Parts: sequence; structure tokens; C-alpha cells
Amino acid sequence: RKEVEQDPGPFNVPEGATVAFNCTYSNSASQSFFWYRQDCRKEPKLLMSVYSSGNEDGRFTAQLNRASQYISLLIRDSKLSDSATYLCVAKRSGYALNFGKGTSLLVTP
Amino acid sequence: GAVVSQHPSWVICKSGTSVKIECRSLDFQATTMFWYRQFPKQSLMLMATSNEGSKATYEQGVEKDKFLINHASLTLSTLTVTSAHPEDSSFYICSASLSEGEQFFGPGTRLTVL
Repeated sequence: RKEVEQDPGPFNVPEGATVAFNCTYSNSASQSFFWYRQDCRKEPKLLMSVYSSGNEDGRFTAQLNRASQYISLLIRDSKLSDSATYLCVAKRSGYALNFGKGTSLLVTP
Repeated sequence: GAVVSQHPSWVICKSGTSVKIECRSLDFQATTMFWYRQFPKQSLMLMATSNEGSKATYEQGVEKDKFLINHASLTLSTLTVTSAHPEDSSFYICSASLSEGEQFFGPGTRLTVL
């Protein structure tokens, strides 16, 4: 079983829609959590860190539930430019980033 | 954020040849560099962790004699795919970090082995 599991999608949503992605991690020793965005044939780029208290960055809201080992990302008012693959990441101290398979989002006009 | 470069950005080679990929941190000294591989529609899979001046730590299932990693300085790590075969065709991405800080990714190298 992979350490970080995501629904691969694809999620096809119209512009302006709100979309939510979920992710679970299996290693309870994971301490840091992130969402990365990866465009086709490009390297992943950090979108935001994820904290138990929840954090928001513009249209993006991330949430961590340590008890259920669950991470979420909410995108409000979707833009065409949000189309990408969103990678959920968990990390243990002293270890490299552990990536999920990614959830594909396509925002349509 | 910090800048990490990779060279080449893409390479096509014949089966049996060796390919060297360079990863450089341009504006910071990286204590640790990581090498990942990504097959189409798959997640990034860590291949090895490299610390300057010491031997790389390979993940289970990654052949250290096939994927040679050299981390000669705090700003340069190289990955050599020896005797490459078509199944080695993939997107190879490096990242560099300062201690437990953020990992900065290179733009990746797309390898196609004919």
C-alpha cells in the first residue's frame, strides 16, 4: 500500500466552480504535509504547506486532520489556469518528500 | 525561492549507452540532493538521497550500480544511468534542500532510450 493515497481523478469542473481534493497518509510518523502542483511535463512546484489549524492562500484552503491522517485541498472560484495535477505530500523528519500519485484537475470554460 | 537547474532537459539515446544528468543548486549550497523518477501518470518515486561527500542512500529496488550518483560539491550532484535500456525511459527530477528546509526542484530531464 502506498504511503500517500489520492483519488487520481480526473476532476473536470467549469470555471468558477469549487473543487475539493482529498488525500490520506499511512505513516503516522509523518510530520510535515504539503500540496504541490505539477503541470504536464514540468517539475512539481510547492502550492502550500498544510497545518492542523487549516490555512488559506487566496482561493486555496488546505486542512490536515492528524487523527484520521487525512489532508484536503479546496479550490474556490476555479480558473482555467488551475488545470494541473495536484500532488499530496507527507514527510517524516530526516526523510525525503513522499508524494501521492496526484489528482488531475481540468477546468473548462 | 531558490533555483535548481538540471542538464540536459531532454536526451534521446540508444540502448546500451550511458547518460549523465547534472543537478545544480544555483544560489544556495544544498546539504542534501534527491533524485526522483516519474513514469507517465505515476507519482514521483524517490530513487536516492545524496549528501555531499558521502555515498548516496538508495531506495529499495533501485540498483546502485546502474544509477550512479556523485555528489562532489554542495552545489552539484550527478546521476549517471549506465547501460540504459528502454524501460529506463522516464522523467528524472532532482531536488535540493538546506537541512530540513523546503526542497527545491529542478526542471527535470526527460530520458528516452531507443
